Amino acid sequence: DQQVKQNSPSLSVQEGRISILNCDYTNSMFDYFLWYKKYPAEGPTFLISISSIKDKNEDGRFTVFLNKSAKHLSLHIVPSQPGDSAVYFCAATPNAGKSTFGDGTTLTVKP
Amino acid sequence: KAGVTQTPRYLIKTRGQQVTLSCSPISGHRSVSWYQQTPGQGLQFLFEYFSETQRNKGNFPGRFSGRQFSNSRSEMNVSTLELGDSALYLCASSLGFGASGGTYEQYFGPGTRLTVT
Repeated sequence: DQQVKQNSPSLSVQEGRISILNCDYTNSMFDYFLWYKKYPAEGPTFLISISSIKDKNEDGRFTVFLNKSAKHLSLHIVPSQPGDSAVYFCAATPNAGKSTFGDGTTLTVKP
Repeated sequence: KAGVTQTPRYLIKTRGQQVTLSCSPISGHRSVSWYQQTPGQGLQFLFEYFSETQRNKGNFPGRFSGRQFSNSRSEMNVSTLELGDSALYLCASSLGFGASGGTYEQYFGPGTRLTVT
């Protein structure tokens, strides 16, 4: 049973537009959520996180939204840039527990 | 600060052999986690170490083992290699462990690409 799901394997967006990446989870014990970005031949890089006590966290062009009742989080990138093209992983962590990662969404931002 | 380093970066082994991968965390980070990534798959959690103790373990067979040293460096070992063990093995470090007051953000190394033939 996959506890963290990223249902869209890929997403293509025009430069300057908004990119919305989605993530669903099933375990109500998760209380901290993170997004990572991964370029080819590199390890994932931490991007942004959100605690379950919040419903929004913003950092520059990146905003993460959390809907606990729907067990859903999303990452918004505005405006999207070609350098944002990468694989994006969402991860969920219970208190003092291990992080569970989704399978990733490949974002392509076209110039 | 230097990032997480992993050695070797690439490795080719044959079935039945064993392999040891090494990870040096960011200075000051006491938690080290290991993940396996196969094509089209997310990051599958192997195990997490904190202060030389295994804190969490994923659903991998006993052929996969690890340890952490007093300087927080970590190694993982895979014995009796199988073709399906071919993957990118990622190490990640973080400041703390859950309720110990650390943060959950992990910092990943570049990975070790293991190919089993």
